[in-house]
Amino acid sequence: EAGVVQSPRYKIIEKKQPVAFWCNPISGHNTLYWYLQNLGQGPELLIRYENEEAVDDSQLPKDRFSAERLKGVDSTLKIQPAELGDSAVYLCASSFGSSYNEQFFGPGTRLTVL
Amino acid sequence: DAKTTQPTSMDCAEGRAANLPCNHSTISGNEYVYWYRQIHSQGPQYIIHGLKNNETNEMASLIITEDRKSSTLILPHATLRDTAVYYCIVRGTNAGGTSYGKLTFGQGTILTVHP
Repeated sequence: EAGVVQSPRYKIIEKKQPVAFWCNPISGHNTLYWYLQNLGQGPELLIRYENEEAVDDSQLPKDRFSAERLKGVDSTLKIQPAELGDSAVYLCASSFGSSYNEQFFGPGTRLTVL
Repeated sequence: DAKTTQPTSMDCAEGRAANLPCNHSTISGNEYVYWYRQIHSQGPQYIIHGLKNNETNEMASLIITEDRKSSTLILPHATLRDTAVYYCIVRGTNAGGTSYGKLTFGQGTILTVHP
């Protein structure tokens, strides 16, 4: 069974440029998460989807970050414009049914903002 | 959700048991203890979870003290591939609200397994 797929794996951009990350969850998983992980820190939840609905986006900086999960499958996380402090790893995870079930993580996208 | 305290780093010899402690003295009765690990350049991976009783699976054992204020993750025969950051997470079960099911990661314990 394929795991959570993320692309790109690495992205280097200049500040003020837009950037987008894509996530394909495990087939059948209705709950999808985006996490941010700074160097040396644990992941921090940005947003959680139950199907198409964002049920927890309280930690998403809405002035520059946006996310969507059309049709309740794939998801895209966008930053516009990117700032130097956005350099981090962006992780996507998915789970089946209740969000208390095991979360499966993708390998992440490492973003470097110059 | 209750906070956890873990040592910053630990070492273990290959083939020996690795015992990773976690303190969660403010845990409440309906909160579970979860363990995830993160190998370098990968996303976190679920290991095990428990409420009150000790748990064992193919990866590890989880020992929770009777007062539930601390726990220990045991990797019975550590290998070089077990070198990773290990996260102990306390997770609530209250339905509703934005914290429902939320995993709150700390900084974890960096476990280094030596040959």
